[in-house]
Amino acid sequence: NAGVTQTPKFQVLKTGQSMTLQCAQDMNHEYMSWYRQDPGMGLRLIHYSVGAGITDQGEVPNGYNVSRSTTEDFPLRLLSAAPSQTSVYFCASMSPDRNTEAFFGQGTRLTVV
Amino acid sequence: GNSVTQMEGPVTLSEEAFLTINCTYTATGYPSLFWYVQYPGEGLQLLLKATKADDKGSNKGFEATYRKETTSFHLEKGSVQVSDSAVYFCAPRWVTGGGNKLTFGTGTQLKVEL
Repeated sequence: NAGVTQTPKFQVLKTGQSMTLQCAQDMNHEYMSWYRQDPGMGLRLIHYSVGAGITDQGEVPNGYNVSRSTTEDFPLRLLSAAPSQTSVYFCASMSPDRNTEAFFGQGTRLTVV
Repeated sequence: GNSVTQMEGPVTLSEEAFLTINCTYTATGYPSLFWYVQYPGEGLQLLLKATKADDKGSNKGFEATYRKETTSFHLEKGSVQVSDSAVYFCAPRWVTGGGNKLTFGTGTQLKVEL
């Protein structure tokens, strides 16, 4: 069972570069989300989607873009990387049933120098 | 607004000690409540959940009870093991106007020593 697959696992970028973090799920979940994890701050929501073609901003959306053209995929784009975006990024998917759990990818450790 | 407050870490315990990690929430409604665990170098995974008042979730010796009157969901384990060393996140899932959202506490790092 693949679940949620994130790529890459590690990435180093120079300030100003752009890149896309990939996320794919095979559970037919309508809801997908991107979080960043920083020491002492838990997981903060960047962007989320409740279905194909629908996206919305979370707590910390600045500097990031998303799109949701299919149910399976939810890529996160960094437009112009900054050192403040150094973090660990997690993608999650879940069904609309609030009594069910979210499934997480393994994470992407991003360093911006 | 809706929020969650979790006991800060790190918490260091000896093997076989009793563990409590406090979690409280403020909400306009009644969320479903989850505890997730993150082992070193991995993503988060579900530890246990409770979806209504007075429900008790349990898994791997961990327990938590949904207390509506105190808006709490404290995580407990009677005897921790070295393998329980991880970061634990309390996570309510609330109904919102646009669907529902999962929010996380700041996480509590647990280190269990021999």
